[in-house]
Amino acid sequence: GEDVEQSLFLSVREGDSSVINCTYTDSSSTYLYWYKQEPGAGLQLLTYIFSNMDMKQDQRLTVLLNKKDKHLSLRIADTQTGDSAIYFCAERKNQGGKLIFGQGTELSVKP
Amino acid sequence: GAVVSQHPSWVICKSGTSVKIECRSLDFQATTMFWYRQFPKQSLMLMATSNEGSKATYEQGVEKDKFLINHASLTLSTLTVTSAHPEDSSFYICSALTRRVSTEAFFGQGTRLTVV
Repeated sequence: GEDVEQSLFLSVREGDSSVINCTYTDSSSTYLYWYKQEPGAGLQLLTYIFSNMDMKQDQRLTVLLNKKDKHLSLRIADTQTGDSAIYFCAERKNQGGKLIFGQGTELSVKP
Repeated sequence: GAVVSQHPSWVICKSGTSVKIECRSLDFQATTMFWYRQFPKQSLMLMATSNEGSKATYEQGVEKDKFLINHASLTLSTLTVTSAHPEDSSFYICSALTRRVSTEAFFGQGTRLTVV
């Protein structure tokens, strides 16, 4: 089946690292994504990872994929107040397929 | 990255009227468009998928006669909410796929629909 789950809230202090977790059930997913949504706005793609990769790093962002446990995480280093937003993980089975989203994790960064 | 322009960004309409939301790909050809609906503090729920020149494929539970989707060209898709009711109030977001970069879906800015 298709099911993506995330914890709903995360609060961190400015300068700390944030880790947002996601689990999915469809083992045939080939692409896994992290999106950021600010209030009243659309979705901004942060990064994505192919299912044959374990890790991907892009500046302050590190994505870890544990395919065996179907667990995806997004680590934001040196979290800033501007990182406060809702973060969605999403999975896709194939290149032209639909995205299945998690519920979103609201990240709150306190100064 | 590629730009998807969605209009209007917000709209208020009376019950019983119809509202059209446009989604344009500005610098690429969108072979597939997805329309999502998002309730406050909730995830994006896929409503339908449309390929250019074909009828849209609706997700289970989505009324195709109420949410009319047209994807007549490779740069424009529209969602029309017909005979809108207050329960249709929501945030609607479109997303476009292009063959050129098919791993990434590009999202519009979203439309906040309020039906009074």
